[in-house]
Amino acid sequence: SQQGEEDPQALSIQEGENATMNCSYKTSINNLQWYRQNSGRGLVHLILIRSNEREKHSGRLRVTLDTSKKSSSLLITASRAADTASYFCATGSGYSTLTFGKGTMLLVSP
Amino acid sequence: GAVVSQHPSWVICKSGTSVKIECRSLDFQATTMFWYRQFPKQSLMLMATSNEGSKATHEQGVEKDKFLINHASLTLSTLTVTSAHPEDSSFYICSAIGQTQETQYFGPGTRLLVL
Repeated sequence: SQQGEEDPQALSIQEGENATMNCSYKTSINNLQWYRQNSGRGLVHLILIRSNEREKHSGRLRVTLDTSKKSSSLLITASRAADTASYFCATGSGYSTLTFGKGTMLLVSP
Repeated sequence: GAVVSQHPSWVICKSGTSVKIECRSLDFQATTMFWYRQFPKQSLMLMATSNEGSKATHEQGVEKDKFLINHASLTLSTLTVTSAHPEDSSFYICSAIGQTQETQYFGPGTRLLVL
């Protein structure tokens, strides 16, 4: 069964707004990663946060991790139309093994 | 750096034929490669994990004789869908990770349509 569950399943916003996606998982993890997938393409790695970290930033991305609640959030600030994609969280519990959630489809309208 | 390619990017074949998909790590040595399948608007489902020079480990429910995997070198893994049927039509994505890396790097995917 899938480890991560993203919420919401779909999100539609205007350019310039912030987009927040959440991910919940069930078992212990070593790290949690967020990926982006444009329609019909492969996955692009966005950010990795380790189980002993609480927050991480990368450009317009901000990721938080709450291991007590087994949840993570991805915030994209000042969104752009080019951010339109599906976003997946993936949890790692062993060397390199990843389990993906169902993803959030983000639509950013100009 | 850390580029993974897949070939072909799309393939259409007749039912009953076999299809081979290649996954290459272009600028690093991939000690482990992964094969995923993704149905429309669904998540990625891990099919198998392969380590260079050893037999692949298929996930439960994935037939190893149906989905043959070869990882003969540190930069190449192949997935062969044998006797393909329409239900095998899907988007197949590979990923690779090197010994010193923390993240998997994904290929662009191969779309398979079996008629």
